[in-house]
Amino acid sequence: NAGVTQTPKFQVLKTGQSMTLQCAQDMNHNSMYWYRQDPGMGLRLIYYSASEGTTDKGEVPNGYNVSRLNKREFSLRLESAAPSQTSVYFCASSPHPGTPVFGDGTRLSIL
Amino acid sequence: AQTVTQSQPEMSVQEAETVTLSCTYDTSESDYYLFWYKQPPSRQMILVIRQEAYKQQNATENRFSVNFQKAAKSFSLKISDSQLGDAAMYFCAYRIGNYGQNFVFGPGTRLSVLP
Repeated sequence: NAGVTQTPKFQVLKTGQSMTLQCAQDMNHNSMYWYRQDPGMGLRLIYYSASEGTTDKGEVPNGYNVSRLNKREFSLRLESAAPSQTSVYFCASSPHPGTPVFGDGTRLSIL
Repeated sequence: AQTVTQSQPEMSVQEAETVTLSCTYDTSESDYYLFWYKQPPSRQMILVIRQEAYKQQNATENRFSVNFQKAAKSFSLKISDSQLGDAAMYFCAYRIGNYGQNFVFGPGTRLSVLP
């Protein structure tokens, strides 16, 4: 039972490089989310998608773009990475209504 | 804006003892849900317990229980008979209604369990 799968698990980028974080869920959930986790700040919502074909900004969307490719997949793109985007990124999905199930996270370092 | 506060950045408990983690939240909504998530060193986010604001009865899940004080906007987590595997970061979280998209998380409490 895979649940929510995030790739990659670790990545190091140089400032200005671009990257896409991938997320897929196999639970037929309608809603999907991207969070970032920084020390002392808990998790903060970057973007979410309530259903296939829709996306909305969360608390900290600047510097990011998302694509809800289909019901299973929700990707997060950094067009021009900055050191402030060094963080652990979590993808989650949930039924609607329901409680999110989280992936294992991606540790991203930007030098 | 909704906020969640966890005033204890770190706590420790002796194995087999009981510990209580504090959480307060600020909202003007009447329909909301509260959660405790556990994050072990593996980095997984694991749901521990949830509480519907309209329910007066405190939620329990085995050794985990909450003390929900709606008027005081307080939602503490009690862990009984602490085990080494309980060592983790614990996050309190809040969501408006059952369809709300945004979970607001507190900053977390790091719990150590001493053998």
